[in-house]
Amino acid sequence: KQEVTQIPAALSVPEGENLVLNCSFTDSAIYNLQWFRQDPGKGLTSLLLIQSSQREQTSGRLNASLDKSSGRSTLYIAASQPGDSATYLCAVNTGGFKTIFGAGTRLFVKA
Amino acid sequence: ETGVTQTPRHLVMGMTNKKSLKCEQHLGHNAMYWYKQSAKKPLELMFVYSLEERVENNSVPSRFSPECPNSSHLFLHLHTLQPEDSALYLCASSPNRNQPQHFGDGTRLSIL
Repeated sequence: KQEVTQIPAALSVPEGENLVLNCSFTDSAIYNLQWFRQDPGKGLTSLLLIQSSQREQTSGRLNASLDKSSGRSTLYIAASQPGDSATYLCAVNTGGFKTIFGAGTRLFVKA
Repeated sequence: ETGVTQTPRHLVMGMTNKKSLKCEQHLGHNAMYWYKQSAKKPLELMFVYSLEERVENNSVPSRFSPECPNSSHLFLHLHTLQPEDSALYLCASSPNRNQPQHFGDGTRLSIL
């Protein structure tokens, strides 16, 4: 059974700092891995999608990597800003329509 | 504007009431999903519809009843809910299987 774990559960950093969020999964047989952002009281916004054949994806200040063999993904945020404060969710597609989510990392960037 | 619209945004109901949540997507996607998000727990997949046929049903109690009349609309009918059903209910859509999902803003449900 696929399980997705995100560490840390919460993180507080000063503005301008580079940071890494971690996601681990127990079964390497995945189709893709997606990182989402969720603001309080809102739905999920897709940030980056990495297909199982890819090693990383980049969008602006965000870079996501995938190591299937070790069951890990990281989301790197460069030069963090207060507007980056949100909960970041990692989700693994195990095939078909089934997606397993982690519990998220709650990020707070202090001005 | 995400292309996935959920109504209502907030709902408070008693345990004996019957209500429905609505989701509409304007993205031309073929698959629609219902998720439950409880405090400090990961999102739980409840139901998936593909081309109006239910393809996933993750052991959800019968007090939750989904309906997908067409590929753009998805409903979740609620009756005799319990306090532990209070949560954020999120709808999502995707073009097809293995494709990225697009989410609505959710309905915050409170059971009294």
